[in-house]
Amino acid sequence: ETGVTQTPRHLVMGMTNKKSLKCEQHLGHNAMYWYKQSAKKPLELMFVYNFKEQTENNSVPSRFSPECPNSSHLFLHLHTLQPEDSALYLCASSQTGLPGNEQFFGPGTRLTVL
Amino acid sequence: DAKTTQPPSMDCAEGRAANLPCNHSTISGNEYVYWYRQIHSQGPQYIIHGLKNNETNEMASLIITEDRKSSTLILPHATLRDTAVYYCIVLPNYGGATNKLIFGTGTLLAVQP
Repeated sequence: ETGVTQTPRHLVMGMTNKKSLKCEQHLGHNAMYWYKQSAKKPLELMFVYNFKEQTENNSVPSRFSPECPNSSHLFLHLHTLQPEDSALYLCASSQTGLPGNEQFFGPGTRLTVL
Repeated sequence: DAKTTQPPSMDCAEGRAANLPCNHSTISGNEYVYWYRQIHSQGPQYIIHGLKNNETNEMASLIITEDRKSSTLILPHATLRDTAVYYCIVLPNYGGATNKLIFGTGTLLAVQP
């Protein structure tokens, strides 16, 4: 138990569906992150939020829309996804978005796009 | 792109020390070396980090060469639960930099009974 929870743990969706992934951290951290881990590819950073402000968008397609309403919650809204978007989506948090802050990861959401 | 190179896999006998090497020959003076690991079906877990001095915590030791071009993560008494992919990551630590982990392919450590 890392103090970072993600729901749902598994999600199957069609290409025309809209769904959202939720991440919550109970650590009092101020920075939150979304990562994507595709089969046989390294973990890729998608977005960084620091004190609710987006500070990094790693050229992520607009069909992925993040939302950070407060420092404890992070969402990833999904719309019109492609089968190649099937992956493990991991959320992480750290004290701040500055280097030197250990990142705590959630268990991930396994997404399958049909 | 990751700035580190690691062997794709290693084996270690249970109870023995596991020594995981990492090459980071292009590391700059303001970059730290971080180690994370990812046990199957879980999110990555922080292990340790260092700049130029050797570091030790309850999980592992980190040995960084004097020229800082390579490092070794040491798990002193490996257990079956240490079977995981181990990632060596170089991260800048200066004002204006972001806490952006860039993962490579890591080393799959298989601890054998």
